[in-house]
Amino acid sequence: AQKVTQAQTEISVVEKEDVTLDCVYETRDTTYYLFWYKQPPSGELVFLIRRNSFDEQNEISGRYSWNFQKSTSSFNFTITASQVVDSAVYFCALRKAAGNKLTFGGGTRVLVKP
Amino acid sequence: DAGVTQSPTHLIKTRGQHVTLRCSPISGHKSVSWYQQVLGQGPQFIFQYYEKEERGRGNFPDRFSARQFPNYSSELNVNALLLGDSALYLCASSIGTSSYEQYFGPGTRLTVT
Repeated sequence: AQKVTQAQTEISVVEKEDVTLDCVYETRDTTYYLFWYKQPPSGELVFLIRRNSFDEQNEISGRYSWNFQKSTSSFNFTITASQVVDSAVYFCALRKAAGNKLTFGGGTRVLVKP
Repeated sequence: DAGVTQSPTHLIKTRGQHVTLRCSPISGHKSVSWYQQVLGQGPQFIFQYYEKEERGRGNFPDRFSARQFPNYSSELNVNALLLGDSALYLCASSIGTSSYEQYFGPGTRLTVT
């Protein structure tokens, strides 16, 4: 069975601080995909990034960066120089190679104060 | 292009009643998946449909059922509602059955009293 754990339930930072969200996953599959989604107060899940299990390169997109470490089954997400608009719940998710079923973690609520 | 649309936005039902939620995928997308998100938790997978056939089912009771129509829109039906069915129901649209990206709709918030 697949499982995703986001140990941090809520993180509060002051604007311009960096914040790192932890994600640890469990799977017996050799091929799988990892995702991060953002859920603002409106409720709609917004896709941020996808990583496949064979690609361990870290990625940077603007103020966002992701650190994938297969050896520790972790896929962490860092927001650099946080802004108030980054306030949301962030979900890490895991998917098998086949099918569209996403297994989500419990989410981490990020609160960025001005 | 229009994104994923869901209706209604909000719904209040009484225990024991039945509810139907609707989802229209992005044009050209043939797969629809349904998720239940209880307050304070991550979404839980309920169903996936592709080309009108069920392609996946999560760990939900038989009170939950769904179908997909020839235009790829989908309905989620829940019978004999329980208080615990109160949640945000999310629909996700994708091109195929194993797509890289899934696009989520705004959800239907169901309250069971």
